[in-house]
Amino acid sequence: QKEVEQDPGPLSVPEGAIVSLNCTYSNSAFQYFMWYRQYSRKGPELLMYTYSSGNKEDGRFTAQVDKSSKYISLFIRDSQPSDSATYLCAMRRPAAGNKLTFGGGTRVLVKP
Amino acid sequence: EAGVAQSPRYKIIEKRQSVAFWCNPISGHATLYWYQQILGQGPKLLIQFQNNGVVDDSQLPKDRFSAERLKGVDSTLKIQPAKLEDSAVYLCASSLVEGLESYTFGSGTRLTVV
Repeated sequence: QKEVEQDPGPLSVPEGAIVSLNCTYSNSAFQYFMWYRQYSRKGPELLMYTYSSGNKEDGRFTAQVDKSSKYISLFIRDSQPSDSATYLCAMRRPAAGNKLTFGGGTRVLVKP
Repeated sequence: EAGVAQSPRYKIIEKRQSVAFWCNPISGHATLYWYQQILGQGPKLLIQFQNNGVVDDSQLPKDRFSAERLKGVDSTLKIQPAKLEDSAVYLCASSLVEGLESYTFGSGTRLTVV
């Protein structure tokens, strides 16, 4: 079993819709949670970074963490074609230094 | 601020050949990482340096992979001899010692082993 599970998609939505992404994890030692966006032939870029359970909002993006269920989510409101990319969740355990454990990524396609 | 620079962008080699990748991190970032991203998967950490010392190389296949970070700045990752299953994108990232917000990836080197 992988430490971090993520549905590979693809997830296709019309422009303006809400995109809902999620990851589950098995190791309760994970305490830091990140969402990265990766465009084709580019490296991942950090979108959101959370530590505690609850919600964190940044513009059109909302990240949710539920540590009791070992479940994290990313919501993208008013989606745009430029949001078409692969979205990766990543997690860090304090004992592992800065090593990030990634999910496999979900490919998102926003259709105009 | 300049980003993480990697070269080459693409490389095609035959199996059993050797290959080397180069990374120049963001100025001031003490920590440097090499990740391997196989098509359709998330990145997997191969090795982490802090300055010029190795912090974590537990997932580096040491029989064929080697990495160095001389003078605590640039880094090279080498594969010798390459296998078909080494086909992947090799991503370099750098960060400040503290502060995951500074974690920045380069665009990667896409390796194809034929």
